[in-house]
Amino acid sequence: GQSLEQPSEVTAVEGAIVQINCTYQTSGFYGLSWYQQHDGGAPTFLSYNGLDGLEETGRFSSFLSRSDSYGYLLLQELQMKDSASYFCAVRAPEGKAAGNKLTFGGGTRVLVKP
Amino acid sequence: DGGITQSPKYLFRKEGQNVTLSCEQNLNHDAMYWYRQDPGQGLRLIYYSQIVNDFQKGDIAEGYSVSREKKESFPLTVTSAQKNPTAFYLCASSSGGSGANVLTFGAGSRLTVL
Repeated sequence: GQSLEQPSEVTAVEGAIVQINCTYQTSGFYGLSWYQQHDGGAPTFLSYNGLDGLEETGRFSSFLSRSDSYGYLLLQELQMKDSASYFCAVRAPEGKAAGNKLTFGGGTRVLVKP
Repeated sequence: DGGITQSPKYLFRKEGQNVTLSCEQNLNHDAMYWYRQDPGQGLRLIYYSQIVNDFQKGDIAEGYSVSREKKESFPLTVTSAQKNPTAFYLCASSSGGSGANVLTFGAGSRLTVL
């Protein structure tokens, strides 16, 4: 099976930078994804890392180190609308449906203050 | 516009009753998933399906059942065997290959057992 760990909550002010770490344990690994979920809403895809290194998408960047089983999501120039929960998710082989199962972490609640 | 439609948005059930949550997608995606989310928690996989007439158990399948008779539809039945069914249920879909890293979610169905 797979397990993922991320901090439960982070608080920061507008304009700041926040880094959300995610460590994982899997028996096989295809990639690490990040999703954003506002209260009461559905998760939306933010980014994906299949190989080591940094992926940048506007104010958000995601990093992966497969040798360390570690990744992070970097939120820059924080805005009030970034207040949400952020989930890391690992895609890993599982049974006969290899590669099509995503396991999510417990989520990190980010609170942005004025 | 393409997307995933879940219904009903809110559902109340008496103990001992089975209920079925609907999930329909018009994205032409091959894979579909059901996740359960409890307050302040991450997403846990109930069932997933890669192709029509085939599905696999996720991490918490006990007390749930699914069918995949059409590519567009993946209904979830919460049976009376599920001991604690009150939760937020999210349906998702993805395409095959590298597209499996990107899940598109429906707006969710909130089930409350009275």
